[in-house]
Amino acid sequence: AQSVAQPEDQVNVAEGNPLTVKCTYSVSGNPYLFWYVQYPNRGLQFLLKYITGDNLVKGSYGFEAEFNKSQTSFHLKKPSALVSDSALYFCAVRDSGGGFKTIFGAGTRLFVKA
Amino acid sequence: DSGVTQTPKHLITATGQRVTLRCSPRSGDLSVYWYQQSLDQGLQFLIQYYNGEERAKGNILERFSAQQFPDLHSELNLSSLELGDSALYFCASSTRTAGETQYFGPGTRLLVL
Repeated sequence: AQSVAQPEDQVNVAEGNPLTVKCTYSVSGNPYLFWYVQYPNRGLQFLLKYITGDNLVKGSYGFEAEFNKSQTSFHLKKPSALVSDSALYFCAVRDSGGGFKTIFGAGTRLFVKA
Repeated sequence: DSGVTQTPKHLITATGQRVTLRCSPRSGDLSVYWYQQSLDQGLQFLIQYYNGEERAKGNILERFSAQQFPDLHSELNLSSLELGDSALYFCASSTRTAGETQYFGPGTRLLVL
């Protein structure tokens, strides 16, 4: 069965510093991996995804994520955090080998302090 | 704006009642997904439809049902409501492509009193 884990409930970072939001996954086949962001009282917005190819994926708002197959991880990163990046971030995984479910992690709340 | 619309935005009802949540997918999207987001359970996948047919089922209660109509809009029916059903309900849509990105609507906030 597929699963995804976001080990940190909350990440705190100062504005201008690099940020990392962690995600690990488990699937039986090859993974499709996604990051979404949710601002207060809004729906989820797509940030980026890994399907195949280059392990470093670039997405919206300066975010990027690195797919690491050996560590089954897909951590979200940004070189320089902004206060406006403060939000709830969700990692999601879908097994490309079959099935149509996308499983979301519990979410990580990012606080960026000015 | 994702292009996915959901109505109503807010819904307040009593225990034991039945409600219907509506979702219109992005133009051209054939897949519709329903999710429940509560404080203690995170984002839970409920059910997916593709072009009118049920494609995948998640943690959907028997009191809940959904359908996708020929015009591709979808409805989620919640019956015999309990206090614990209070949550945000999101609809998302996607194209058929593998590795599809899901585009989320703004959600319906349901409060069961």
